[in-house]
Amino acid sequence: AQSVTQPDIHITVSEGASLELRCNYSYGATPYLFWYVQSPGQGLQLLLKYFSGDTLVQGIKGFEAEFKRSQSSFNLRKPSVHWSDAAEYFCAVRGSQGNLIFGKGTKLSVKP
Amino acid sequence: GAGVSQSPRYKVTKRGQDVALRCDPISGHVSLYWYRQALGQGPEFLTYFNYEAQQDKSGLPNDRFSAERPEGSISTLTIQRTEQRDSAMYRCASSLGTGFTGELFFGEGSRLTVL
Repeated sequence: AQSVTQPDIHITVSEGASLELRCNYSYGATPYLFWYVQSPGQGLQLLLKYFSGDTLVQGIKGFEAEFKRSQSSFNLRKPSVHWSDAAEYFCAVRGSQGNLIFGKGTKLSVKP
Repeated sequence: GAGVSQSPRYKVTKRGQDVALRCDPISGHVSLYWYRQALGQGPEFLTYFNYEAQQDKSGLPNDRFSAERPEGSISTLTIQRTEQRDSAMYRCASSLGTGFTGELFFGEGSRLTVL
């Protein structure tokens, strides 16, 4: 079955520190992978996506993610976190029917 | 419109009542998706449409839930005889094309509370 696992429910980092949010997927074919961010009271905003080609993809707001097929992972990274990055982050894989299958999310808190 | 619009933003209803949630996708977007998000969870797929045709309704939890998109634009998700377990954020998303690589644009959601 297609699924996405985000092992970390809540992460706290200091402002200016680096960030890595983990995502593992289960999908039989070549996956189409996405990271979305959800700020309080807001809709989901696409940060970046991977379809094919270069396994390191760049997104908005200084985020990047690396697709590693051997590890079935698509971890999200940012070199230096800003206070405005505090939000909930969702990893998703495109299912065989075209819908997105989301992980349970990782809530990011940023310490001053 | 400029973005995906959902209404109402907040809905409080009593158990047993019917509710209708509306989604107005981005103009010209072909695909429309409905998701449900419980507190502390990721969005869970309910159903989706390409134009007016409902392509997949496997995510609808039971027959109290239904959705339509009669003219291929605005969609309504209807929940009959609501129960407390139906309380959640209901999110709508639209996509320009029907392909797998298209971005889904999400609305701000409709928060349903069933008392």
